[in-house]
Amino acid sequence: QQPVQSPQAVILREGEDAVINCSSSKALYSVHWYRQKHGEAPVFLMILLKGGEQKGHEKISASFNEKKQQSSLYLTASQLSYSGTYFCGTAEAAGNKLTFGGGTRVLVKP
Amino acid sequence: GAVVSQHPSWVICKSGTSVKIECRSLDFQATTMFWYRQFPKQSLMLMATSNEGSKATYEQGVEKDKFLINHASLTLSTLTVTSAHPEDSSFYICSAGRQGGNQPQHFGDGTRLSIL
Repeated sequence: QQPVQSPQAVILREGEDAVINCSSSKALYSVHWYRQKHGEAPVFLMILLKGGEQKGHEKISASFNEKKQQSSLYLTASQLSYSGTYFCGTAEAAGNKLTFGGGTRVLVKP
Repeated sequence: GAVVSQHPSWVICKSGTSVKIECRSLDFQATTMFWYRQFPKQSLMLMATSNEGSKATYEQGVEKDKFLINHASLTLSTLTVTSAHPEDSSFYICSAGRQGGNQPQHFGDGTRLSIL
């Protein structure tokens, strides 16, 4: 079953913050985050393992709440380059098979 | 970082043609590769898991005889869309990750397939 992402879309002004959520009905081993720009392949951002850790990539960070089976991606002081569609991919066990959420389209305007 | 190469980038062909797409891991060995299909403005849907030296594992609803997968070496997996029809038109993407633990998936650039 596909994880649920929210919101489906968000429009930001440069410098603003946003949060993208990813929820699963299944127990998760890890959550992966990717960003895809139009017409291109997804690019890896970060992996979060169960244990509630938080990671960062530039001014993008994420957390994983193992008890709620939910991960959140935080876009801080957004830049124009942050525009794209963000996907979470969830894994139920160690290994690489992922199930992707429906995506969140982010548009950062000047 | 890891690099995955996918070829060709674009294919336009007539209905009934078979099309082969290649996915190569350039700087690491990949015992497992994944094939996805993506429709416009939609998510990545896993089609199959390609296993080196053995049969691919297909997701429910994916026709094995339609989408042939071969993973003959640790750096190459191929997806052949047999007797392609317009409904097979889509963006096909492969991915691969290093072995061990939780490794990120590195995606190829994708193949845009258009069947006329």
